[in-house]
Amino acid sequence: DTGVSQDPRHKITKRGQNVTFRCDPISEHNRLYWYRQTLGQGPEFLTYFQNEAQLEKSRLLSDRFSAERPKGSFSTLEIQRTEQGDSAMYLCASSYRTSVPVLSTDTQYFGPGTRLTVL
Amino acid sequence: KQEVTQIPAALSVPEGENLVLNCSFTDSAIYNLQWFRQDPGKGLTSLLLIQSSQREQTSGRLNASLDKSSGRSTLYIAASQPGDSATYLCAPLRDTDKLIFGTGTRLQVFP
Repeated sequence: DTGVSQDPRHKITKRGQNVTFRCDPISEHNRLYWYRQTLGQGPEFLTYFQNEAQLEKSRLLSDRFSAERPKGSFSTLEIQRTEQGDSAMYLCASSYRTSVPVLSTDTQYFGPGTRLTVL
Repeated sequence: KQEVTQIPAALSVPEGENLVLNCSFTDSAIYNLQWFRQDPGKGLTSLLLIQSSQREQTSGRLNASLDKSSGRSTLYIAASQPGDSATYLCAPLRDTDKLIFGTGTRLQVFP
């Protein structure tokens, strides 16, 4: 078990460019979450997947943001036409949830994050 | 809408002290509550998860309690060490599965 990994760890881009982040969850986990964290704040929920299905999207996720989890394994988060306000740490987490709650661990395990700086 | 408050916002203590970090939340219909640790510029490390049916959970020098009806959780750190210096975040979870975080307690333990 190598934990949740994210790539890249740091990204610096110019305003207006598109960026894509990748998250690889813990292998047996069926749920994958994206959060965003700005300086001095707690993480804020963006979206989550159960296998390949995107089940919920926050209102924070504007039209410029899109997330996918095509085969129910890794996920990508794309930001189009980046703005300076998009500068933040983007965190990915995974967990295991079944229809039988006693078999679920529910603990969300977080990756190291991708720090985005938009100039 | 769930709102989470953590008190104190910052804490600086000498090594060896026993500490209490407080977390309050407005919506008591939660499924569980997690406590996390975050080192500067890093991701979150899960410390403890308390199910809504539990009152306490312990791991080493850490003990977390949950009073769901009053919307409170407490993280107790025994015999603090400089390595405990970090930001501590609590996050209740409803059945919608998204964690709602407070702004954290920034802890510094000095030798």
